[in-house]
Amino acid sequence: GAVVSQHPSRVICKSGTSVKIECRSLDFQATTMFWYRQFPKQSLMLMATSNEGSKATYEQGVEKDKFLINHASLTLSTLTVTSAHPEDSSFYICSARSGVVEAFFGQGTRLTVV
Amino acid sequence: AQSVSQHNHHVILSEAASLELGCNYSYGGTVNLFWYVQYPGQHLQLLLKYFSGDPLVKGIKGFEAEFIKSKFSFNLRKPSVQWSDTAEYFCAVNSQNTGNQFYFGTGTSLTVIP
Repeated sequence: GAVVSQHPSRVICKSGTSVKIECRSLDFQATTMFWYRQFPKQSLMLMATSNEGSKATYEQGVEKDKFLINHASLTLSTLTVTSAHPEDSSFYICSARSGVVEAFFGQGTRLTVV
Repeated sequence: AQSVSQHNHHVILSEAASLELGCNYSYGGTVNLFWYVQYPGQHLQLLLKYFSGDPLVKGIKGFEAEFIKSKFSFNLRKPSVQWSDTAEYFCAVNSQNTGNQFYFGTGTSLTVIP
């Protein structure tokens, strides 16, 4: 099956700093990538949808200036958490889709802001 | 409001017991339905999916699900669970009405006791 890779898998940063998370589709071109946030013992909450070469579409309640998404190529999307605070600590998951309905998920990134 | 509902939050079964996890959705129009599994410490994996055709779909590891359009349901079943089925199970919906984004249910935690 298609492989989606996220990096890093785990990151700890100081409050006030920014963190970039990468999501790559390794063996297919992803026209659309999704970013999710998962709180402990809860479901995945869609944060935003990004299409290659255009601005991301954010879900209601998600601050676009805080969670910057760039989808510069068909194999790479990045999520930058700017001026991170402890409440941003969470598990972030990306998924990628290529023209078909099914999406493939990355392994997730555990962000801890101290 | 549009939503995906999983009624069983935590299920505990003994090995060899039968499993049925409920999933109901409220999105209109043509929908695509998915069940994902998340084993402890691992990323989401696709169990099975329904796009069209036979409403009874079979997935990996002996799982199956039945799409009942009149009930807006897509329940997951397995006749005989194993200890290795212990995981989180997520139902997801994707439709043109949602811009083809994936929306997830709250998840069901399954614990299988040996």
